[in-house]
Amino acid sequence: AQRVTQPEKLLSVFKGAPVELKCNYSYSGSPELFWYVQYSRQRLQLLLRHISRESIKGFTADLNKGETSFHLKKPFAQEEDSAMYYCALKSGGYNKLIFGAGTRLAVHP
Amino acid sequence: DGGITQSPKYLFRKEGQNVTLSCEQNLNHDAMYWYRQDPGQGLRLIYYSQIVNDFQKGDIAEGYSVSREKKESFPLTVTSAQKNPTAFYLCASSMGQNPYNEQFFGPGTRLTVL
Repeated sequence: AQRVTQPEKLLSVFKGAPVELKCNYSYSGSPELFWYVQYSRQRLQLLLRHISRESIKGFTADLNKGETSFHLKKPFAQEEDSAMYYCALKSGGYNKLIFGAGTRLAVHP
Repeated sequence: DGGITQSPKYLFRKEGQNVTLSCEQNLNHDAMYWYRQDPGQGLRLIYYSQIVNDFQKGDIAEGYSVSREKKESFPLTVTSAQKNPTAFYLCASSMGQNPYNEQFFGPGTRLTVL
């Protein structure tokens, strides 16, 4: 079955500390993975996609097919990074997404 | 903000009543989606449409219905058959079948069944 698992409901860190939001997936085939973010009182929006190998707002995510993971990392967290983060997996021939349950990141001053 | 609008923002319904949630986009996107968001469960796909006059069931379509008569509109009806309709509903759109197309989300509608 296709599935996305985000094991942590809440991740709480201090400003300047490294951050790693975990995402594991189950998919038979070549996965296409994304991270979406929802800041307080804002819409859900795309943060980054693995195919682009990009760094957005200091965040990076590497696809590890051996460990079936797509963890989101940032070396130094900022207070403005506080938000809800969702890992998503493209499913099927159309642009359907399977979302994880989400991890709330709280960055304290 | 613009692009995708959802109305109303809050909706209250009595048990046994059908209710329709509106979703409109002016992005000229071909594909549109409805998700349900519940605490601790992330987003689950209800229905999606890749093109006008065509739509497909998602993972939790029971108790819901949709129509896609116009490219810019994808209304969702929550019927009385939906056993647990109280939730936050999100509409999204994307350019088409390209798998790397970003999905753009609306602000959501919070439905409460009294």
